[in-house]
Amino acid sequence: DVKVTQSSRYLVKRTGEKVFLECVQDMDHENMFWYRQDPGLGLRLIYFSYDVKMKEKGDIPEGYSVSREKKERFSLILESASTNQTSMYLCASSSGRNEKLFFGSGTQLSVL
Amino acid sequence: QKEVEQNSGPLSVPEGAIASLNCTYSDRGSQSFFWYRQYSGKSPELIMFIYSNGDKEDGRFTAQLNKASQYVSLLIRDSQPSDSATYLCAPSAGTALIFGKGTTLSVSS
Repeated sequence: DVKVTQSSRYLVKRTGEKVFLECVQDMDHENMFWYRQDPGLGLRLIYFSYDVKMKEKGDIPEGYSVSREKKERFSLILESASTNQTSMYLCASSSGRNEKLFFGSGTQLSVL
Repeated sequence: QKEVEQNSGPLSVPEGAIASLNCTYSDRGSQSFFWYRQYSGKSPELIMFIYSNGDKEDGRFTAQLNKASQYVSLLIRDSQPSDSATYLCAPSAGTALIFGKGTTLSVSS
């Protein structure tokens, strides 16, 4: 089975801190994605990547950046965390475009 | 902006009934359609997907597509309390999946 591992299940950070959320997949998938999920707003795409060192903006990239130095790892970076970035962050991967996503277990981030 | 619309619910059905979940999408280039189930506090998990060439049945689940109306549905037969969850629709047009906000299904025993 595909495994998508997110480094932390719960994270508490302070406003202004730089935050790194890490995601690793073990199935040699080309594509990786970062979503955030908020009550009433659903899953919203932040960034995605179709290959190493490539990145594409999703619907809500403001305040975030990403890094994909290795195929299996996709990091989400909050340059200066703000309270409105408190959310559940979900990483996902897929073997190709138009293919199903496999999700990690999520990171609940609280910014105080 | 690509849009995916779902009725948020809750959709309440008795155990053993058929639950019908619906989704409309704006991108006519969508080629595959995914249905994910998400239990409270958990990640989404794939339960069904169909391509633009037809409907699909898998056990108690049936996914149906109406391309002309840009409408996709998920039918759950013989609904069970364990089916109580939020169901997310996600059409794909070759780029990243855009999800609907989901429909919450509640199956009462």
